[in-house]
Amino acid sequence: EVHLVESGGRLVKPGGSLRLSCTASGFTFSSYTMNWVRQAPGKGLEWVSSISSSPSNIYYVASVKGRFTISRDNAKNSVYLQMDSLRDEDTAVYFCAKGGAEFDSWGQGTLVTVSS
Amino acid sequence: DIQMTQSPSSLSASVGDRVNITCRASQSISRYLIWYQQKAGKAPKVLIYAASSLQTGVPSRFSGSGSGTDFTLTISSLEPEDFATYHCQQSYNTPWTFGQGTKLEIK
Repeated sequence: EVHLVESGGRLVKPGGSLRLSCTASGFTFSSYTMNWVRQAPGKGLEWVSSISSSPSNIYYVASVKGRFTISRDNAKNSVYLQMDSLRDEDTAVYFCAKGGAEFDSWGQGTLVTVSS
Repeated sequence: DIQMTQSPSSLSASVGDRVNITCRASQSISRYLIWYQQKAGKAPKVLIYAASSLQTGVPSRFSGSGSGTDFTLTISSLEPEDFATYHCQQSYNTPWTFGQGTKLEIK
């Protein structure tokens, strides 16, 4: 059974940094593209970033480009999201999700709150 | 970027009702459309992929249709566990984009 567990979310001040982690089990992690998707309180889902299995292909939504960095460690079955220059509008639950364009498994999410 | 628009944003219905939720893309996405169900405080799960293919384990009362720019999720006879929020997502090109969600509530 696929299992994804996110961690690292907390309260941080505007302009601050945070690193989210997602640890995977139950599948061959190194073979799959991984993603971060976020959901602001009471809002819809927003895809944030993806990293291919190799990881030669990395993509970001425009609103985080230059501020967030996705990475992975296939030896540790983990994917990360380094978030810098955080803004109020980055406040959301951040989900880790497996898959290329279809997100077939999700973690339970970790809450990031950006507030002074 | 491809904009995805769902309607309605919220819907009240009763157990046993048939409901339709629509999703419109701002440009043609062929059949690259996914439907997710999300219950309160939980992660989304895939119901339908490729516009009309039922994900393994999803009850047959769920169905999807459409191609190009207009898509529909149909629940043929609502069960109590179906009251949730439904999201569509285009998988045609990056950035992957979602509709704003449709909250299905008990009447």
